[in-house]
Amino acid sequence: QQQVKQSPQSLIVQKGGISIINCAYENTAFDYFPWYQQFPGKGPALLIAIRPDVSEKKEGRFTISFNKSAKQFSLHIMDSQPGDSATYFCAVYNFNKFYFGSGTKLNVKP
Amino acid sequence: GAVVSQHPSWVICKSGTSVKIECRSLDFQATTMFWYRQFPKQSLMLMATSNEGSKATYEQGVEKDKFLINHASLTLSTLTVTSAHPEDSSFYICSASGLTGGDEKLFFGSGTQLSVL
Repeated sequence: QQQVKQSPQSLIVQKGGISIINCAYENTAFDYFPWYQQFPGKGPALLIAIRPDVSEKKEGRFTISFNKSAKQFSLHIMDSQPGDSATYFCAVYNFNKFYFGSGTKLNVKP
Repeated sequence: GAVVSQHPSWVICKSGTSVKIECRSLDFQATTMFWYRQFPKQSLMLMATSNEGSKATYEQGVEKDKFLINHASLTLSTLTVTSAHPEDSSFYICSASGLTGGDEKLFFGSGTQLSVL
């Protein structure tokens, strides 16, 4: 059973635009929601994360929006740059386990 | 952020041989380490969870006799692919969890691309 559903599968954004990736979960026991960025041939790197007691968290150009009642959270990349082109994974965590979304391949066009 | 070192980054081996992959947490003690497998353009598939000093817990469908995991210390876990076959060719990634800034964070190694001929 997939613990977290991620969309879209792929995304093309013009340089300077906003990239938005969405994730939805069912189990309300999850209490930590990180986003990871992965470049080809590399391991994922923690980008930003949020706890369910906060509705939004911003770090530089990256923002997580969290909707506890809807059980959804999203990653917003403002002023997207070609260097942001990568695969992004959302994850949910509880009981010492992380579950990952299926990934979104982002391509930022120059 | 915390650093997890994984070696080797790339290995080619003959069918029937065994390959060992190391995962080290360099600047924190990782009580729990995870091993993932990733196929091209797919998400990470959790293979097993290992806790220091105890036997690894394998996910359903993962052969524990084929994928031997040892977590001998708080900073080192190893994955040995025994009697490797071409279908074992994949990208293997380790990760280590540690409590930093009040959150249980997961840090990944750089991955190991295994090619079995």
